[in-house]
Amino acid sequence: QKEVEQDPGPLSVPEGAIVSLNCTYSNSAFQYFMWYRQYSRKGPELLMYTYSSGNKEDGRFTAQVDKSSKYISLFIRDSQPSDSATYLCAMTGGGGGNKLTFGTGTQLKVEL
Amino acid sequence: GAGVSQTPSNKVTEKGKYVELRCDPISGHTALYWYRQSLGQGPEFLIYFQGTGAADDSGLPNDRFFAVRPEGSVSTLKIQRTERGDSAVYLCASSPTEASVWGYTFGSGTRLTVV
Repeated sequence: QKEVEQDPGPLSVPEGAIVSLNCTYSNSAFQYFMWYRQYSRKGPELLMYTYSSGNKEDGRFTAQVDKSSKYISLFIRDSQPSDSATYLCAMTGGGGGNKLTFGTGTQLKVEL
Repeated sequence: GAGVSQTPSNKVTEKGKYVELRCDPISGHTALYWYRQSLGQGPEFLIYFQGTGAADDSGLPNDRFFAVRPEGSVSTLKIQRTERGDSAVYLCASSPTEASVWGYTFGSGTRLTVV
């Protein structure tokens, strides 16, 4: 079993929809949680980050972490075609150089 | 430079050949990471450098893989006797320091195809 599980999709939604992406993890040492967005043939770019449990909002994006359930979510409101990409969750315990453990990535397509 | 630069962007090699992949990090970033991303998977950690030294190479799959960063800036990932299973995108990232959890910047990767 992988340390981080993420549904690979693909997920297809109409423009303007609310998108919910999520990951589960098994390592209780993880305390820094990130969401990366990856466009085709590009490297991942950091979208949102949170430390420990709680919510964080940035524009149309909201990241949630529930450490008791080992479950993290990313919500995208008013989704746009430009949001079409692969979304990767990533996490680290914060020590040892902060090497990241990634989920598989969820492929999202927002259609006009 | 403004971002992390990786060269070449694409590399096709024959099974058994030796390849070198280059990473130019953001100027001043002391931490440098290599990840490997297979098709349909998330990136997997290979090795990270703090300065010139490899601080953690626990992700290297076997002794055919080796990486160097002799002057604390540019890094080269070296793969000997390539196998078809080595085909993947090799991503490099740099960070201001190893403590900068949010500071990762990834390059666009080198797409390696072993035929």
